[in-house]
Amino acid sequence: EGQLVESGGGLVQPGGSLRLSCTASGFNVDSTFMSWVRQAPGKGLEWVSLIYTGGITDYAESVKGRFSVSRDNSKNILFLHMNSLRLEDTAVYYCARDLKWQGGGMDVWGLGTTVIVSS
Amino acid sequence: AIQMTQSPSSLSASVGDRVTITCRASQDIRNDLGWYQQKPGKAPKLLIFAASHLQSGVPSRFSGTGSGTDFTLTISDLQPDDFATYYCLQDYDAPYTFGQGTRLDIK
Repeated sequence: EGQLVESGGGLVQPGGSLRLSCTASGFNVDSTFMSWVRQAPGKGLEWVSLIYTGGITDYAESVKGRFSVSRDNSKNILFLHMNSLRLEDTAVYYCARDLKWQGGGMDVWGLGTTVIVSS
Repeated sequence: AIQMTQSPSSLSASVGDRVTITCRASQDIRNDLGWYQQKPGKAPKLLIFAASHLQSGVPSRFSGTGSGTDFTLTISDLQPDDFATYYCLQDYDAPYTFGQGTRLDIK
């Protein structure tokens, strides 16, 4: 079925950087699309980024130019590199397996990791 | 970016009721829409993909309809476990966009 575990969240100052990890088991991260989704405190879900099987990436306008996604296929880990962090990036960040490529949806989710941007 | 307008934002219902949540897309998204359930402090859970396909393991009281710009999620015979927040998500084109969410609580 598959499992995802996020890590790397924490407290960071505005303008700082952070790298989130999403470790997959039960499937290969390079064999499917993978998305990052976040949720600010008390707010709704916001899609953040997508990496396609071929490695092409897409981003929400709110993070474009500041965030980037990459994969370590040998370790089966997805990363979200976050730079120039802003107060409004404070959120729980989830990674999800995205089966859009075969007509499905985001069927496996991690538990999330919390990022707090504060001075 | 495609805008998703979800309604209502909140809904009160009783066990056994039938409820409907709607999402409207700002442009034609074919059937590229999913429905997700989220409970407090938990990750979202996929209920419906491709507008009307029930995800494996999801009870059949959940159903989805629609194509183009208008979509609905119907929950028949509400159960206590169904009280949660529901989101639609268009994955027709990146950037994907979620609806604002519908909080379903017990009347």
